[in-house]
Amino acid sequence: AQSVTQLGSHVSVSEGALVLLRCNYSSSVPPYLFWYVQYPNQGLQLLLKYTSAATLVKGINGFEAEFKKSETSFHLTKPSAHMSDAAEYFCAVSEQGAQKLVFGQGTRLTINP
Amino acid sequence: GAVVSQHPSWVICKSGTSVKIECRSLDFQATTMFWYRQFPKQSLMLMATSNEGSKATYEQGVEKDKFLINHASLTLSTLTVTSAHPEDSSFYICSARVGGPNTEAFFGQGTRLTVV
Repeated sequence: AQSVTQLGSHVSVSEGALVLLRCNYSSSVPPYLFWYVQYPNQGLQLLLKYTSAATLVKGINGFEAEFKKSETSFHLTKPSAHMSDAAEYFCAVSEQGAQKLVFGQGTRLTINP
Repeated sequence: GAVVSQHPSWVICKSGTSVKIECRSLDFQATTMFWYRQFPKQSLMLMATSNEGSKATYEQGVEKDKFLINHASLTLSTLTVTSAHPEDSSFYICSARVGGPNTEAFFGQGTRLTVV
């Protein structure tokens, strides 16, 4: 069964600094990968997804992620953090042919002024 | 994008009672819906996959008699927490996909259950 690991339960960066949130998956066949964001007391919103097209995926709010098969990674980045980026970020995976979505542990992003 | 609506957004119930949570796909038909549980400051744990017109598929360790799932129509799935206890207090979230595993999953706003 596939799984996904997010390294770092809490990441803190300064406003304007680079944001890097790490995600690694374990699957013999490259799965479909997603990044979701959850603001306090709200549902999840899709940031971006990888579905075997381009390895560099651009999402909403200036975020992007790069799929690296050799490293089984799908790290999320943003060049310049904004205060409004403070939220919980989840990496998720679906195996090809499987409908269910499995989530990583989540990373809480804090932005310092 | 597609809209998934959950109701209620929060509920407080007494220990021993049952609580029903509804999940509706408002502008699309969902043959499959998913129920997650989220503890404070933790990730979403998949509880079960709800299939329209058939029995739900539960994840390992989830009590199917405790968490009853019914998917009676293509737009409605319900989760009933039976004989609730304080340890069942949690944030419950449903989701649905319009297409296959390479498509976006849409999430309800969640239901915060508190059992007193």
